[in-house]
Amino acid sequence: NAGVTQTPKFRVLKTGQSMTLLCAQDMNHEYMYWYRQDPGMGLRLIHYSVGEGTTAKGEVPDGYNVSRLKKQNFLLGLESAAPSQTSVYFCASSSGLGKDEQFFGPGTRLTVL
Amino acid sequence: GQSLEQPSEVTAVEGAIVQINCTYQTSGFYGLSWYQQHDGGAPTFLSYNALDGLEETGRFSSFLSRSDSYGYLLLQELQMKDSASYFCAVRSDNQGGKLIFGQGTELSVKP
Repeated sequence: NAGVTQTPKFRVLKTGQSMTLLCAQDMNHEYMYWYRQDPGMGLRLIHYSVGEGTTAKGEVPDGYNVSRLKKQNFLLGLESAAPSQTSVYFCASSSGLGKDEQFFGPGTRLTVL
Repeated sequence: GQSLEQPSEVTAVEGAIVQINCTYQTSGFYGLSWYQQHDGGAPTFLSYNALDGLEETGRFSSFLSRSDSYGYLLLQELQMKDSASYFCAVRSDNQGGKLIFGQGTELSVKP
């Protein structure tokens, strides 16, 4: 089992460019999440999904869009990147049962110039 | 608003015991979790408390008091590899398993 994988691992964008971050999980989890983590801070939820075809806003959704067309994949899009979106992005998944355990991917380090 | 408070830094020596506290103010409460994150790495799940009391998993234990909106993570027999950031997280509603994370406590273990 690969667990949760993210692509790409690193990316540098110019202001105004767009990109899509891909998250994939092979644990058949219903729930998936996108977080951002800024230096010295905790994780802030951007968007989440409770199942294929569903998405919902988290704490900091502005400037991002998401899609969950397949159960195993959760895509995060930046339509017009801004320097304030420079961050480390983590994807996570969970079964939604029991202990609130979320499984995290290795992260994508994004710099917007 | 919803907030979780935990110390920003803690230092301890190898072999010692350290306690990392977490207080929370959230609109609802369904459980308190703890996650570990080594520098630059992915957070990994450590423990979960939904009910008052102590949960033990090896060298790590976690405690919850819902009446005090307070919990802690206890690390025993500290090892150098325990140097990491530790985050408490609360599930404040029953929709989608969403977690609210604290800002993290950086633990430094000295020889």
